[in-house]
Amino acid sequence: AQSVTQPDIHITVSEGASLELRCNYSYGATPYLFWYVQSPGQGLQLLLKYFSGDTLVQGIKGFEAEFKRSQSSFNLRKPSVHWSDAAEYFCAVVGGNTDKLIFGTGTRLQVFP
Amino acid sequence: DVKVTQSSRYLVKRTGEKVFLECVQDMDHENMFWYRQDPGLGLRLIYFSYDVKMKEKGDIPEGYSVSREKKERFSLILESASTNQTSMYLCASSHPGFGGNYEQYFGPGTRLTVT
Repeated sequence: AQSVTQPDIHITVSEGASLELRCNYSYGATPYLFWYVQSPGQGLQLLLKYFSGDTLVQGIKGFEAEFKRSQSSFNLRKPSVHWSDAAEYFCAVVGGNTDKLIFGTGTRLQVFP
Repeated sequence: DVKVTQSSRYLVKRTGEKVFLECVQDMDHENMFWYRQDPGLGLRLIYFSYDVKMKEKGDIPEGYSVSREKKERFSLILESASTNQTSMYLCASSHPGFGGNYEQYFGPGTRLTVT
């Protein structure tokens, strides 16, 4: 069965620093991959998605993610973090014999001024 | 602007009560979903629906049922609420078809406490 692992439960960065959130998936073929963000008190918002083609994907709010088949990873990056980026981030995958989203357990990002 | 609304942001119910959580979307989406979100567990799919009157079980349907009488409305029902159903409940919707079936739009969530 497909699965998603986000190894970092909680990450703290200073405002202006770069950010990388890790996501590893388990699936034999190329999956469909997503990153969602959940700001405090709000629902989830789609940041970016990968279906095929260019392995570097640009999203909203200045985020990007890179699909690396050899590492089964889809890490989320941002060159300079803003205080408003403090939120919980979820990686998700669709693949195989299911058309449902499977979410990772999330990474909570804290940003210090 | 795309919008998914949920009837309550916060709800407190007693054990054994019947609980209704309502979700409405204004995007004419065919697909609707109910998840629960718990710390350390991420989002888990309870039920989903690809059409009016249609419903399918997700990964954790036990203790829940759903109703979809109209395209825009998807209700989650806790027949007899229990304390282990205390959680954040998120509703989502999406278009069908390649790609669209996976790009889901979420409501703000309902935090349910069962005492």
